[in-house]
Amino acid sequence: DAKTTQPPSMDCAEGRAANLPCNHSTISGNEYVYWYRQIHSQGPQYIIHGLKNNETNEMASLIITEDRKSSTLILPHATLRDTAVYYCIGNPRGGTSYGKLTFGQGTILTVHP
Amino acid sequence: DTGVSQDPRHKITKRGQNVTFRCDPISEHNRLYWYRQTLGQGPEFLTYFQNEAQLEKSRLLSDRFSAERPKGSFSTLEIQRTEQGDSAMYLCASSPEGNSPLHFGNGTRLTVT
Repeated sequence: DAKTTQPPSMDCAEGRAANLPCNHSTISGNEYVYWYRQIHSQGPQYIIHGLKNNETNEMASLIITEDRKSSTLILPHATLRDTAVYYCIGNPRGGTSYGKLTFGQGTILTVHP
Repeated sequence: DTGVSQDPRHKITKRGQNVTFRCDPISEHNRLYWYRQTLGQGPEFLTYFQNEAQLEKSRLLSDRFSAERPKGSFSTLEIQRTEQGDSAMYLCASSPEGNSPLHFGNGTRLTVT
């Protein structure tokens, strides 16, 4: 699985966009980039994933660079409830390795009023 | 879809005792995963079931740990002769076939005194 590097912490003002970067320079061609978040005392929650193209859903947008060595998770209008630890993870497509996620330490995002 | 359910939410036990945790995955999810998370760290993969078959075990899963999924539905994780180092959050996740995101429960927090 690709090793990912994320800043340990970030701050964001409520209502502003939160842009969370992730470096995954060793990602292989068959690995998706997944983002999960974990709010205090809860299990991780899936946010979004992508392979090569940018993706958007109701929670966030994911921008993946053309060389796939890095990506950015964008929360367009952060709220206080978005305060959480955000994890960027490489996850192989299919096979028995799928779902064996290597979480790392993630980015603690704090959204301020 | 009631989500992944884990029981109990909290367990305090004395060193040397045996404990068992239960996970009820989302119905019709044939994949089930166990993870462990210690304070300040991201979750770590322990083991994985496809239906009732345990397909992979991490080297983190010592001989004192055993997991079962007897009918391909709920799963149990047993720790025998608990040690203080077993204190952690034990997370269960499930997913359907294919490249689908994992759905995590809110975990069982184990404290070994």
